[in-house]
Amino acid sequence: DTEVTQTPKHLVMGMTNKKSLKCEQHMGHRAMYWYKQKAKKPPELMFVYSYEKLSINESVPSRFSPECPNSSLLNLHLHALQPEDSALYLCASRRTRNTEAFFGQGTRLTVV
Amino acid sequence: AQSVAQPEDQVNVAEGNPLTVKCTYSVSGNPYLFWYVQYPNRGLQFLLKYITGDNLVKGSYGFEAEFNKSQTSFHLKKPSALVSDSALYFCAVRDIPGSARQLTFGSGTQLTVLP
Repeated sequence: DTEVTQTPKHLVMGMTNKKSLKCEQHMGHRAMYWYKQKAKKPPELMFVYSYEKLSINESVPSRFSPECPNSSLLNLHLHALQPEDSALYLCASRRTRNTEAFFGQGTRLTVV
Repeated sequence: AQSVAQPEDQVNVAEGNPLTVKCTYSVSGNPYLFWYVQYPNRGLQFLLKYITGDNLVKGSYGFEAEFNKSQTSFHLKKPSALVSDSALYFCAVRDIPGSARQLTFGSGTQLTVLP
């Protein structure tokens, strides 16, 4: 199994809603990542989890709240988002710093 | 800081012709370089990597990349382009030792293969 699975694939939410994005991998990777990607731009790192502990928060607004319940699962909780938060949200994982990252298919988020 | 540059926003090539997508890097220490491809509304797919060893790296879908230390380049190549190769391509470099940031990406190159 070399997949990173993200759900949902598409999400439309209002600015007052609370929703969550889910990411799952069963490759035994202990580093997991959330990225935000705007159209035709490179992914921007948001959060890094290493061994289920948050190791990097790239000054992301508090309306984005990550959670790593176990070594296979990564969540991103969303609350009171703004229209400019509309983007493709990508999850990734990797085994070590020298190996390639595996990316999920992403969640296309639209904030209305 | 580690960085990669992709000097071309857009590359067009005719089907069957060879293609090259350019990448140059700036790193402290040994470079760990990667190429990823992204199809519309999809995640990034790993193509190939250079860690050490042979300067010519072979990857998925017939792609290869040539590591050139003197020119600090890591260009992606394919001998014969397919229309299905049309996608957004990202070069990336591993971040500095001790950092958990994983990867620094280039700005991306949109490849269009014309039938």
